[in-house]
Amino acid sequence: NAGVTQTPKFRVLKTGQSMTLLCAQDMNHEYMYWYRQDPGMGLRLIHYSVGEGTTAKGEVPDGYNVSRLKKQNFLLGLESAAPSQTSVYFCALGGGDRETQYFGPGTRLLVL
Amino acid sequence: AQSVAQPEDQVNVAEGNPLTVKCTYSVSGNPYLFWYVQYPNRGLQFLLKYITGDNLVKGSYGFEAEFNKSQTSFHLKKPSALVSDSALYFCAVRVRLLSNNAGNMLTFGGGTRLMVKP
Repeated sequence: NAGVTQTPKFRVLKTGQSMTLLCAQDMNHEYMYWYRQDPGMGLRLIHYSVGEGTTAKGEVPDGYNVSRLKKQNFLLGLESAAPSQTSVYFCALGGGDRETQYFGPGTRLLVL
Repeated sequence: AQSVAQPEDQVNVAEGNPLTVKCTYSVSGNPYLFWYVQYPNRGLQFLLKYITGDNLVKGSYGFEAEFNKSQTSFHLKKPSALVSDSALYFCAVRVRLLSNNAGNMLTFGGGTRLMVKP
């Protein structure tokens, strides 16, 4: 998975609880992304970062926040989890103009 | 809006037979197209991409894809399928996020499940 790790691998939350997903890289990529994967819908971009200290909204940002205080780490936060946020979350690296994006192993989140 | 369509939810093929997984796209400008594969409970693995040049692109594990501009298609192919090729396949197109090319989003199709039977 191209030097990218995600923690945790799996988590169960109750509605209203908060949590943070961590994406960590050891490859010095500037660009990092958070996607969610839902059945039949492919992956959709939640938030992204083009460098340390920068973040921006993707296609489906509502209910999520992100931070990139260090270049190596990209955090995805859920302040008040909802059942609609049950999904598999993937971090990706790369994606400069002609670059390939490489994906982490994923975090499976179940919100009850 | 830029989009990708994978018209088949599932493709069934016998081992040893050729396989095709279909993808069509709608983009403004020149498309950058990608294929990824996902095995159960795993992340997405990059297979191949088309940026420019030869319309036939060769990738990992014996896969190739043919870019057809007139038909706006980028079908994934393999001459002889293996049971181990059974997985979920995604086609994606690059979408620029910022006008200065800083960062690119991938827009994905819904995925096609490939089942290769012995």
